[in-house]
Amino acid sequence: EVQLVESGGDLVQPGGSLRLSCAASGFTFSSYEMNWVRQAPGRGLEWVSYISSSGTTIYYSDSVKGRFTVSRDNAKNSLYLHMNSLRAEDTAVYYCARTFGVVITGRFDCWGQGTLVTVSS
Amino acid sequence: DIQMTQSPSSLSASVEDRVTITCRASQNINSYLNWYQQKPGKAPKVLIFAASTLQRGVPSRFSGSGSGTDFILTISSLQPEDSATYYCQQSHSTPYTFGQGTTLEIK
Repeated sequence: EVQLVESGGDLVQPGGSLRLSCAASGFTFSSYEMNWVRQAPGRGLEWVSYISSSGTTIYYSDSVKGRFTVSRDNAKNSLYLHMNSLRAEDTAVYYCARTFGVVITGRFDCWGQGTLVTVSS
Repeated sequence: DIQMTQSPSSLSASVEDRVTITCRASQNINSYLNWYQQKPGKAPKVLIFAASTLQRGVPSRFSGSGSGTDFILTISSLQPEDSATYYCQQSHSTPYTFGQGTTLEIK
């Protein structure tokens, strides 16, 4: 069974740091592009970051660029999101999501259950 | 950045009704358009990709159409389990923006 399981969400003070993890199973993790998507409480979905299958190509949304770093360890079937300089507006459920398909058929076909990050003093 | 605008923001319909949700992109995205369904407390689930291709396992009452800037998600015969929030998302270029969502309530 294809599965993604996030962990690492917590309550953190403004300006603090946190590392989220996403453990993949049931598929060849090293063959797939991955993403982080977040959802603030009661709000819509916001794409945060993309990383290619090899980790050599990375993109971020403007709202997190310079503060968040995405990485992956294909040997450990794991995806990470390092979050620094956290702000109240970063409070959200963070999902990891797999990209399936290429070019025009690319979509997020598998999602984790999400992990909650709360930034508050 | 490409802006995605959905309408309506919410709607209420009865079982067996035909429902349509519209999504408009701020620039031409060809058919780089996906539709997701999200139920409360759950992760989103992809319904339609490449504007009109049904994801495996999704009921055939769901369909998508459009290209360029204007897209439509249609539910041909609404079922009680279709109560959810629906999002469009462009995969043309980063940032991979989502629409603001359409909340569908069953009367």
